[in-house]
Amino acid sequence: SAVISQKPSRDICQRGTSLTIQCQVDSQVTMMFWYRQQPGQSLTLIATANQGSEATYESGFVIDKFPISRPNLTFSTLTVSNMSPEDSSIYLCSVDGQSDTQYFGPGTRLTVL
Amino acid sequence: RKEVEQDPGPFNVPEGATVAFNCTYSNSASQSFFWYRQDCRKEPKLLMSVYSSGNEDGRFTAQLNRASQYISLLIRDSKLSDSATYLCVVNVHVYGNNRLAFGKGNQVVVIP
Repeated sequence: SAVISQKPSRDICQRGTSLTIQCQVDSQVTMMFWYRQQPGQSLTLIATANQGSEATYESGFVIDKFPISRPNLTFSTLTVSNMSPEDSSIYLCSVDGQSDTQYFGPGTRLTVL
Repeated sequence: RKEVEQDPGPFNVPEGATVAFNCTYSNSASQSFFWYRQDCRKEPKLLMSVYSSGNEDGRFTAQLNRASQYISLLIRDSKLSDSATYLCVVNVHVYGNNRLAFGKGNQVVVIP
């Protein structure tokens, strides 16, 4: 499976600010995914990022709030814009593996004050 | 109806005992099924895929019932290190998009 790293691993931010989370993979992958996991909840897909095209957002998530970049086959960023305390969550990137599996990065734990 | 439903528990299991739990899924077109393990404050990690005929990996056995749309996981001879949250994961095809849907997880606590 791919080795995935995320930066930062955690952050505490003030409301109204923005945070960009980076996801780096050690091999080229077609699809990268961004998820949110709120306390005690399941993972919720925010968007799918393909290299060279616009990200595809799930219902309830919009590009203005969660802009995503995918400049190449090993890297992606997710920005959480104009943050509020409701954005406090763990943000995880993942990549596709064989037969519909996905492998996850270690996550970014975000607290918004 | 939620795409994947699990009873969150916790499931308190004596060390050495057997524990089993199910999840149900709503999309009858789903073709791929998985159990992921998530330790506290860690990312989910693939435990095993679930095949139509059922499959076993050491002390772990997974079963799929397509007619009733549920998946099960059984852990035999529980170890303290099995304490974790087990996520039921199903692929969902919606309007040509293929993505994974996650349950809330079954929290397992193995007690000495």
